[in-house]
Amino acid sequence: EIVLTQSPATLSLSPGERATLSCRASQSVSRYLAWYQQKPGQAPRLLIYDASNRAPGIPARFSGSGSGTDFTLTISSLEPADFAVYYCQRRSDRSNTFGQGTKVELK
Amino acid sequence: EVQLVESGGGLVQPGRSLRLSCSASGFTFDDYALHWVRQVPGKGLEWVAGITWNGRSIDYADSVRGRFLISRDNAKNSLYLQMNSLRPDDTALYYCAKDMIQTRLSVAAYFDQWGQGTLVTVSS
Repeated sequence: EIVLTQSPATLSLSPGERATLSCRASQSVSRYLAWYQQKPGQAPRLLIYDASNRAPGIPARFSGSGSGTDFTLTISSLEPADFAVYYCQRRSDRSNTFGQGTKVELK
Repeated sequence: EVQLVESGGGLVQPGRSLRLSCSASGFTFDDYALHWVRQVPGKGLEWVAGITWNGRSIDYADSVRGRFLISRDNAKNSLYLQMNSLRPDDTALYYCAKDMIQTRLSVAAYFDQWGQGTLVTVSS
């Protein structure tokens, strides 16, 4: 079973700063990777799919990159609404696995 | 507007059964695969089960395979999760989630719409 490992567990940043989140797969997942944002008390929200494609309505400050085993979600300039937990997810016939999450918190 | 509304959660004793439902609206229900994803409060997300638009392909997480059964009724725009032999570690908020791609032939998916979840607590 492929495991997704996200780092860091927590990222402490200020508004306006750049956030760089990592997701590493234990084996290649090609580009079949998505990123979600979840705020307290809310369902997750799809941000990025197929590693680098923004979902409809997602601001351009969110970008994704990577392929194979190493993926990155970048938030170019944090806004107050961006402080949340972010999950990566692998799309697969066998199991649509999630990473354990990275919390982006206010410094 | 797409809406997914889960129901059927509650407190249940270990070993007992529970059936969750998800009522959908705002999209062509029988064009999309649907899934159940769960989350222990304060913890991460775990994909539980998925079913394609036509019901021909179904899969489960190893943690629930053999105990849970996913099904859908396209005439009623509804998704179900029959949960048997429940265990305390099944305690979680259960979300219904929609695949972003139409008529996908497998349960491999990205989830573009989610319900608000229904809480299942397994405890004696």
